[in-house]
Amino acid sequence: AQTVTQSQPEMSVQEAETVTLSCTYDTSESDYYLFWYKQPPSRQMILVIRQEAYKQQNATENRFSVNFQKAAKSFSLKISDSQLGDAAMYFCAYGNPGAGSYQLTFGKGTKLSVIP
Amino acid sequence: DVKVTQSSRYLVKRTGEKVFLECVQDMDHENMFWYRQDPGLGLRLIYFSYDVKMKEKGDIPEGYSVSREKKERFSLILESASTNQTSMYLCASNRGQDRAGELFFGEGSRLTVL
Repeated sequence: AQTVTQSQPEMSVQEAETVTLSCTYDTSESDYYLFWYKQPPSRQMILVIRQEAYKQQNATENRFSVNFQKAAKSFSLKISDSQLGDAAMYFCAYGNPGAGSYQLTFGKGTKLSVIP
Repeated sequence: DVKVTQSSRYLVKRTGEKVFLECVQDMDHENMFWYRQDPGLGLRLIYFSYDVKMKEKGDIPEGYSVSREKKERFSLILESASTNQTSMYLCASNRGQDRAGELFFGEGSRLTVL
């Protein structure tokens, strides 16, 4: 079974600074999806960014970017110019439709605090 | 925008009670999911459904059942609630062709079983 590991249960960053959240995964597949989800306190989980494994270019969404290292099975999220609204739980997730699976496998999450 | 609505944000139930958690999505999605979220454990899949009246077990189905009588509605049922089912429950959905792809989540239902 695939596993997703987020090794940092909690992190903090100063407002306007940059922070990187780590994620590693285990798979024998070559084609799959990777996601970062954000869950603000008492609010619903939303997609931050997604990466298709066949794409070599790292995905970017405004202040959010990923460092996708396929050989190392690493998928880190970089948040630039951190804002107070970035404080949330962040979950890394893996999906492999080619295996006939419908579900995503989630990591245990990283709680990000933003210090004013 | 996709909207996934969970009927109850907060519930308090007694041990042994039957509990229904309702989820409705308004984007005609084929796939619907129920996850359980616990601190330090992340999200774990309880059940999912890829079509009306179809259901599949996830990673932790014990103690739960589901119902999908209409495409837009997916219910999670705790036949006899126990204290170890105190948790946050998240409903999610996506399109059939987005299998293992992006999920759209509801706001969650926090259940406390006393």
